[in-house]
Amino acid sequence: KNEVEQSPQNLTAQEGEFITINCSYSVGISALHWLQQHPGGGIVSLFMLSSGKKKHGRLIATINIQEKHSSLHITASHPRDSAVYICAVRSKTSGSRLTFGEGTQLTVNP
Amino acid sequence: NAGVTQTPKFRVLKTGQSMTLLCAQDMNHEYMYWYRQDPGMGLRLIHYSVGEGTTAKGEVPDGYNVSRLKKQNFLLGLESAAPSQTSVYFCASADYPYEQYFGPGTRLTVT
Repeated sequence: KNEVEQSPQNLTAQEGEFITINCSYSVGISALHWLQQHPGGGIVSLFMLSSGKKKHGRLIATINIQEKHSSLHITASHPRDSAVYICAVRSKTSGSRLTFGEGTQLTVNP
Repeated sequence: NAGVTQTPKFRVLKTGQSMTLLCAQDMNHEYMYWYRQDPGMGLRLIHYSVGEGTTAKGEVPDGYNVSRLKKQNFLLGLESAAPSQTSVYFCASADYPYEQYFGPGTRLTVT
């Protein structure tokens, strides 16, 4: 079993829909990261969180430390949100290193 | 600021050839990482560095070597390339609290 599991693997939505991507992990963590990989391949960090909730524009990330679970929500989705969304955790024993999930491929159709 | 850059962007090697991938960052970050990304798998850590002159093995280090002679540069070497090393390679850098900044990637094909 991978340390970081994401669901779903693939997600197709219509423009305007509310989207949720889930991430579960099995180790004690210092922080959880959400990243976005564009169709061209570039990877950017969206959020880094260790508790509660963070919001940036139409993106919201939440984490429940007790349940070892995080969600990434996209409100009013748009075709430009189409990308791979990657969850990664920094465990309490790994220093600065991250362990990555396999990613969720999101396609938003107009 | 250029952020994190990688050279080259694409490369095709024959089995047994060697090459070096260069990662450069202009953010004065202490930590640097080399990952590989393969279809159906998450990013996997090859080697990393916690400061100038230091290197350490990651999850999949076999067949690769690294050097960090200057703080801004992190080099990844393949001494004798194998088809199993066909992948997309990403470099990243970070400083506390460890948000990572990624380079654009290098697509390597070994035939």
